[in-house]
Amino acid sequence: QVQLVESGGGVVQPGGSLRLSCAASGFTFSRYGMHWVRQAPGKGLEWVAFIRYDGSNKYYADSVKGRFTISRDNSKNTLYLQMNSLRAEDTAVYYCAKRVTTADDAFDIWGQGTMVTVSS
Amino acid sequence: AIWMTQSPSLLSASTGDRVTISCRMSQGIRSYLAWYQQKPGKAPELLIYAASTLQSGVPSRFSGSGSGTDFTLTISCLQSEDFATYYCQQYYSFPYTFGQGTKLEIK
Repeated sequence: QVQLVESGGGVVQPGGSLRLSCAASGFTFSRYGMHWVRQAPGKGLEWVAFIRYDGSNKYYADSVKGRFTISRDNSKNTLYLQMNSLRAEDTAVYYCAKRVTTADDAFDIWGQGTMVTVSS
Repeated sequence: AIWMTQSPSLLSASTGDRVTISCRMSQGIRSYLAWYQQKPGKAPELLIYAASTLQSGVPSRFSGSGSGTDFTLTISCLQSEDFATYYCQQYYSFPYTFGQGTKLEIK
């Protein structure tokens, strides 16, 4: 079945780094653009980043631009989010999500989420 | 960035009611709008995309309408499992943005 599984979350000090992973299965990962979305505790959803199916284009929210890097390894069916210079306001559950079709950017499949806590 | 105003933020209703949630954009987005349902502790689930296309497996009591700047999610006959938080999302241009959410609670 189609599935996304995130990992790599944890507790990190302000200014620290963390790399999240998202393992995909059940679909042809290399054909789909992928997204990261986050949700701070008790808050709404915030789109974070997008990467095209072949990695050729990437887009970021202003709040993470210059600090976060999205990447993918199609040979491993895995999406990544490298997070540097972390701040308290980056504390959130991070979800990876798949486009509903190769041409429509609604998110039809979401992972279960991985919690990132930035605290001293 | 495109700003979105989702209303109401809180909606009280009873099983069997018909309810509507609105989303208004700061600029036109054609039909590049999705609706999601989220239950506590769970990932969001896609209900509607392209403003009015029902996602596979979603009950037909959910429907979406609108284009340009004004959009609506309608639930025609509320069931107990529909009490949750709902979000709209535009994917017309980056950065993609979500509405603030509507919490649908039991009256």
